[in-house]
Amino acid sequence: EAGVVQSPRYKIIEKKQPVAFWCNPISGHNTLYWYRQNLGQGPELLIRYENEEAVDDSQLPKDRFSAERLKGVDSTLKIQPAELGDSAVYLCASSRERGGISSYEQYFGPGTRLTVT
Amino acid sequence: GQQVMQIPQYQHVQEGEDFTTYCNSSTTLSNIQWYKQRPGGHPVFLIQLVKSGEVKKQKRLTFQFGEAKKNSSLHITATQTTDVGTYFCLMKTSYDKVIFGPGTSLSVIP
Repeated sequence: EAGVVQSPRYKIIEKKQPVAFWCNPISGHNTLYWYRQNLGQGPELLIRYENEEAVDDSQLPKDRFSAERLKGVDSTLKIQPAELGDSAVYLCASSRERGGISSYEQYFGPGTRLTVT
Repeated sequence: GQQVMQIPQYQHVQEGEDFTTYCNSSTTLSNIQWYKQRPGGHPVFLIQLVKSGEVKKQKRLTFQFGEAKKNSSLHITATQTTDVGTYFCLMKTSYDKVIFGPGTSLSVIP
């Protein structure tokens, strides 16, 4: 089974430039997550999709961040314009989520390391 | 709002010693998952706990969920160098929010 695919793996941009990250989840996983992880910290959820619907985007800085998941499969996360503080690793994860008190495990991609100069 | 604590932040142990990390939530949880992240890697799922007071074991790892479903612990018996990494709890609240703890970084001295 292929894992979660992310691209690019590394990206260096100057501040105020736009940047986009792409994620292809594991086949059959209807839930997709975008996280931001700063060095030495836990992943911070930016947005969670169930199929095409964004069910939790409360932590997404909507003034500069946007995300889409067309057709409920792969997803893109965009930052425009980027700021110095956006330097971090952006992780995508997918799972076969279900409602109720139990959850399926999340499978993470390798992440995109973003450096804003 | 939801507050999540994980302690300790760092732990250095001699190989063969035990290790425990604790995760605490300010609100009752639906479930808690534990993940391990090796240096330079991505989080990898270890276990999920759902029931109050639940205890699960995986070889040298023991996971517990508190009776009030607000805290959890991960205990490693006789650590090995392969245990090195950061251990995160992932909490799912009754409001369907998903929150990672800040993590405990484990170093094992051979």
